[in-house]
Amino acid sequence: EVQLLESGGGLVQPGGSLRLSCAASGFTFSNYAMSWVRQAAGKGLEWVSSLTGSGDTTSYADSVKGRFSISRDNSKNTVHLQMNSLRVEDAAVYYCARARSGYYRDYWGQGALVTVSS
Amino acid sequence: QSALTQPASVSGSPGQSITISCTGTSSDVGGYNYVSWYQQQPGKAPKIMIYEVSNRPSGVSNRFSGSKSGNTASLTISGLQAEDEADYYCSSYSSSSTVVVFGGGTKLTVL
Repeated sequence: EVQLLESGGGLVQPGGSLRLSCAASGFTFSNYAMSWVRQAAGKGLEWVSSLTGSGDTTSYADSVKGRFSISRDNSKNTVHLQMNSLRVEDAAVYYCARARSGYYRDYWGQGALVTVSS
Repeated sequence: QSALTQPASVSGSPGQSITISCTGTSSDVGGYNYVSWYQQQPGKAPKIMIYEVSNRPSGVSNRFSGSKSGNTASLTISGLQAEDEADYYCSSYSSSSTVVVFGGGTKLTVL
């Protein structure tokens, strides 16, 4: 059974940093691209970032480019999202998701809540 | 403002069929067969319902179907059931710098 479990969410002040992690199980982790998708309270889904199975190619939404960094550790079946220079508008539930070659996400974690407030 | 345009809400009675539209441009929906649809129940993570325009993952009811014409994709749910009440999001690959775009979501109410 595929499982994705996010951790690392919490409250941070504007300008601060936070690192989200997603632990994967139930599939050959290195064979799959992974993504982060976020959802602000009462709002829609917004793609944040993706990286390939090998970790050598990354992509970011314009809204987070230069501030967020995605990485993975295939030996630990984990993907991370380092979030720097956080803004109030970055507050959201962040979902980790497995990405498929057809640009869709077939499995999602339960989400990690990030609150950005002073 | 979302890259893809969906109606904010649709409704239907049990047993009826409804269609949710998702309008983009030739840089996303119209240019590629990489449209997907997600169902999100309140407080839950999204669930894939349709991928690559019209493919249904294993375990998803055949009451759900997808199609595309030009720059507009559609999700049709036939034989509406109370359990179908949820938010639905479309998504597409985009040739812009934002590789993956989503619609703003459509709230389906089963009357």
